[in-house]
Amino acid sequence: GAGVSQSPRYKVAKRGQDVALRCDPISGHVSLFWYQQALGQGPEFLTYFQNEAQLDKSGLPSDRFFAERPEGSVSTLKIQRTQQEDSAVYLCASSLEDQPQHFGDGTRLSIL
Amino acid sequence: AQKVTQAQTEISVVEKEDVTLDCVYETRDTTYYLFWYKQPPSGELVFLIRRNSFDEQNEISGRYSWNFQKSTSSFNFTITASQVVDSAVYFCALSEVLGGATNKLIFGTGTLLAVQP
Repeated sequence: GAGVSQSPRYKVAKRGQDVALRCDPISGHVSLFWYQQALGQGPEFLTYFQNEAQLDKSGLPSDRFFAERPEGSVSTLKIQRTQQEDSAVYLCASSLEDQPQHFGDGTRLSIL
Repeated sequence: AQKVTQAQTEISVVEKEDVTLDCVYETRDTTYYLFWYKQPPSGELVFLIRRNSFDEQNEISGRYSWNFQKSTSSFNFTITASQVVDSAVYFCALSEVLGGATNKLIFGTGTLLAVQP
């Protein structure tokens, strides 16, 4: 498809489990962003890649959160030892260098 | 620090009414972008508009119009003759500009617009 693709759409995990969320950006988009959206709130920035380089990870809430984009295309957001407060929608966005960000449908993560 | 405030949590209107969504922002940057995104129940954020801080001209696109006023740090969004399909959460956002490229978006808390038939 032509848009940003995220998988899985929904993820349920038990507290303490590790999860991996995938983002497939629009082809050719060098910039890739991850955001976390809690219920009833606006998205909050987590991290930013330009190609394979992670240029800003200031929004990652703890060292349990890790993101990578090894070949400058697909990106994975990994959360280790999940906790209930990690429950949220995780949004991925991509863009050309000076263009607006285009978002995927998000992954809704529920931690039991 | 950068901040976006959307004071209206929820607005309900009847179809064909006009509605204005308010957005007030704070930034120390002289160069920045302002955005509006729409989030329907499906969850995807849909880009509506981007404005550069140097361009204060109002913009109209069909039933949508935007009023950017630097003097009051506001970037309001008006929907004319609202329709049921306009029902969604609308987010205003701010981005600094680094080296000519946009950076991370700072979002407001959103305004839920419900258009009743």
